[in-house]
Formats: sequence, C-alpha cells, structure tokens
Amino acid sequence: AQSVTQLDSQVPVFEEAPVELRCNYSSSVSVYLFWYVQYPNQGLQLLLKYLSGSTLVKGINGFEAEFNKSQTSFHLRKPSVHISDTAEYFCAVSEGSNDYKLSFGAGTTVTVRA
Amino acid sequence: ETGVTQTPRHLVMGMTNKKSLKCEQHLGHNAMYWYKQSAKKPLELMFVYNFKEQTENNSVPSRFSPECPNSSHLFLHLHTLQPEDSALYLCASSQAEQINTGELFFGEGSRLTVL
Repeated sequence: AQSVTQLDSQVPVFEEAPVELRCNYSSSVSVYLFWYVQYPNQGLQLLLKYLSGSTLVKGINGFEAEFNKSQTSFHLRKPSVHISDTAEYFCAVSEGSNDYKLSFGAGTTVTVRA
Repeated sequence: ETGVTQTPRHLVMGMTNKKSLKCEQHLGHNAMYWYKQSAKKPLELMFVYNFKEQTENNSVPSRFSPECPNSSHLFLHLHTLQPEDSALYLCASSQAEQINTGELFFGEGSRLTVL
C-alpha cells in the first residue's frame, strides 16, 4: 500500500522568509501528486498538482513543487511567505495500483510570524 | 456562495442520538466524497459516490450511513456514535472523469463532537 510522509509536523517561519515543506511517498509505479492547503476553519483547497510533464510545478499564491522520481519526493516551496500563508498543508498521492484513490499525509502546520 | 456547502458547521451529540450531516455542491460535479479528518492524522476516505452510485466504502462502521439522492446532495446519517468518532467530517466533489486525478473541491467541514 502506498503511504505519504510529511517529514515536518510544524514549521514556524518569519514573514518574507522562504519555506520548504517536505513530502515523500512510497510507490514504485507512476503516480499523481498533489498539495492541498487548509486555511483556519476552512476546507481543503488544491494548491498545485503534478500529473505528467515538467517536474517543476507552479501553483497558486506563489507556491511551487518539484517532483523527484528517484527520491520519491514532492517538496513544496515558496521563496517569500506572507502572514496569510499560515495554514495546514497536505501532500497527497494517487496511483493506479490503488484505483487512483487519494492518500493524504498527516499535514504540516505552517505558522508565519511578523 | 461556496462551491461545496456543508451543514451544520458544528454538531454536538450524545452516543444515543441520531443526527445527519448534509453536503450540497453547486459545481455541476457528479462524484461526491466523505472524508474524516482527525487531528494530526491523514485524511481518511469514507465513502465515494459516482453518479449517485456508491463506488467506495472504506470499511466504515455501520453507525455511519451515507445517502446520495442526486448528484448535488450527499448526506451522512449518524447513530449510536462513539467518542472516538469526534472529528471534522469533510465533503468533497469532483467531475467523474477527474475521480482518478485527485482534483477535489472540499467543503468547510462539519465539526462533530460525541459526548
């Protein structure tokens, strides 16, 4: 069974500093990869996705992620964060061997301080 | 108006109560989902409906009973719940052809507390 590991449970960061959220998955077949964001008291919102093609994916709000097949990773980055980026971020994976059902990581809480 | 609306936003119930969670999507999608979100745990897929037909039941206890009367509405009927069922229940929708690509649209969730 596939699994998704988000290596950091909480990431505190100062405003305008860069941030990287790490995500690793266990799968030996082709996968689709996603990052979702959940702002306080809201549902999840798709931030970006990798389905095929370029391994560097750009999403909303200045976020980007890079798919690294050899390291089975899909780390999320933003070069300069804002207070409004305070949220919980979820990495998710789907693959054919699991009928393409989404498997989510446990989430990373990002707290941006002034 | 948000694309996926869930009511109620908060629900407190005793272990012997019967209650229901409601989800409505205004996006013209034809696949709908229930997820359970517990603190610091991965989201757990509970049920999937595709064109009103249940296509996934992820070994969910029978005290949770879903209902999908049409492609726009999804219910989760609750009875004789346990305190460990306390969680945020998220509804999501997608186009049926995107059911394999994971592009889901989520509601804001219903926070359930079982006493």
